[in-house]
Amino acid sequence: DAGVIQSPRHEVTEMGQEVTLRCKPISGHNSLFWYRQTMMRGLELLIYFNNNVPIDDSGMPEDRFSAKMPNASFSTLKIQPSEPRDSAVYFCASSPLRGATQYFGPGTRLTVL
Amino acid sequence: TQLLEQSPQFLSIQEGENLTVYCNSSSVFSSLQWYRQEPGEGPVLLVTVVTGGEVKKLKRLTFQFGDARKDSSLHITAAQPGDTGLYLCAGADAGNNRKLIWGLGTSLAVNP
Repeated sequence: DAGVIQSPRHEVTEMGQEVTLRCKPISGHNSLFWYRQTMMRGLELLIYFNNNVPIDDSGMPEDRFSAKMPNASFSTLKIQPSEPRDSAVYFCASSPLRGATQYFGPGTRLTVL
Repeated sequence: TQLLEQSPQFLSIQEGENLTVYCNSSSVFSSLQWYRQEPGEGPVLLVTVVTGGEVKKLKRLTFQFGDARKDSSLHITAAQPGDTGLYLCAGADAGNNRKLIWGLGTSLAVNP
């Protein structure tokens, strides 16, 4: 079975541009998580969804960040406008409804110049 | 705010040596997970411990959950270069096991 799929794997953009990261969770998983990882702060949970509904977005840094999950097989994380401090690796993870194990995608390395 | 502290932050050892990494908190967790992350990849689950005092073994890796469910350790026997990676612990809150609290990780390098 395919794991969590993320695209793009790498994104380089200029400050002020809009960035959209995409995620396809594992089929049948009910929860989806967006994380950001940096050396200084480690893995930070940005937002998570249960059954396509946002449950906790307290980790979203500011209004420049938004996330959607229009259906069970697709989610996006958008940054508009992007800033250099947004540079990080962004991970999407999914999880079945029962159990806490999270299955991570390969990540998107974002560089904002 | 719940925090998980991992130590050491970095560890570089020779092949064949033993090592232990620690994950500590002042909070009680309903379960604790250990993940390993390799460069360019996402974290991958190694084990979940649930019961205080529980010990689980995965080949050369031994995981222990503290009696009070506030801390955990990972011991690797006869480390191999393939063990190189970032080891992360993550605790699940008793009230919400969907939201994991993550440590910063221990970066392990095993030199041949």
